Amino acid sequence: AQSVAQPEDQVNVAEGNPLTVKCTYSVSGNPYLFWYVQYPNRGLQFLLKYITGDNLVKGSYGFEAEFNKSQTSFHLKKPSALVSDSALYFCAVRDISTSGTYKYIFGTGTRLKVLA
Amino acid sequence: NAGVTQTPKFQVLKTGQSMTLQCAQDMNHEYMSWYRQDPGMGLRLIHYSVGAGITDQGEVPNGYNVSRSTTEDFPLRLLSAAPSQTSVYFCASSLRGNTDTQYFGPGTRLTVL
Repeated sequence: AQSVAQPEDQVNVAEGNPLTVKCTYSVSGNPYLFWYVQYPNRGLQFLLKYITGDNLVKGSYGFEAEFNKSQTSFHLKKPSALVSDSALYFCAVRDISTSGTYKYIFGTGTRLKVLA
Repeated sequence: NAGVTQTPKFQVLKTGQSMTLQCAQDMNHEYMSWYRQDPGMGLRLIHYSVGAGITDQGEVPNGYNVSRSTTEDFPLRLLSAAPSQTSVYFCASSLRGNTDTQYFGPGTRLTVL
C-alpha cells in the first residue's frame, strides 16, 4: 500500500522567511501526490498536486512543491511566509485498492506557525 | 453551488446509540469519501464511493456503514456508537477518483460519552 510520512509535527518560521514543510512517500509505480491546508475549524482545502511532468509544481497562495524521485520526497515550500499561512498542512498520496478503485491516504499533518 | 455540505455540525451521543452523519454535494461529483480526523493521527479514510451504488472500505471501516443511492448523497451510519468514535468527521467529493482535487465539507464534531 502507498503511504506518506510527515516527519515534523510542527514547523515554526519567522514572517518573511522561506518555509518548508516536509513529506516523504512510499509507493509502487508512479506517485500521485497532493498537498492540502486546513485552517482552524474548517475543512481541508486543496493547494497543489503532482501527477506527472515538471518536478516543481506551483499551487495556490504562492505555495509550490518539489517532487524528488531519488529522495522520495514532495516538500511544500514558499519563498516568503505570511502570518496568515499559519495552519495545518497535509500531504496525501493516491492509492489503489484491491478492487481497483482509487483512494487517498493522508499523512498525520504538520502544524505551521508563522511568527510575526 | 453550495459545494459539500455536512449535517449536523456538532453531535453528542451516548455509548450504544446509533446515528447518521449526512453529506451532500451539488457538483455532480462521482467520487465521495468519509474521513475521521484525530489528534496525531491525521486524516484516516473510513469508506469511499466511486459512484452511485458502489462503495468500498478505507483504512478504518469498522463500526461504520455507508450507502450511495444517489450521486448527491453519501451518508455515514454509526451502528452502535463507542467512545473511540469521538472524532471530527469530514466528507469529501471529487469529479472522479483518479487524480482530481477533493473538495471537503466543514466537518461534524462527534462526541460519544
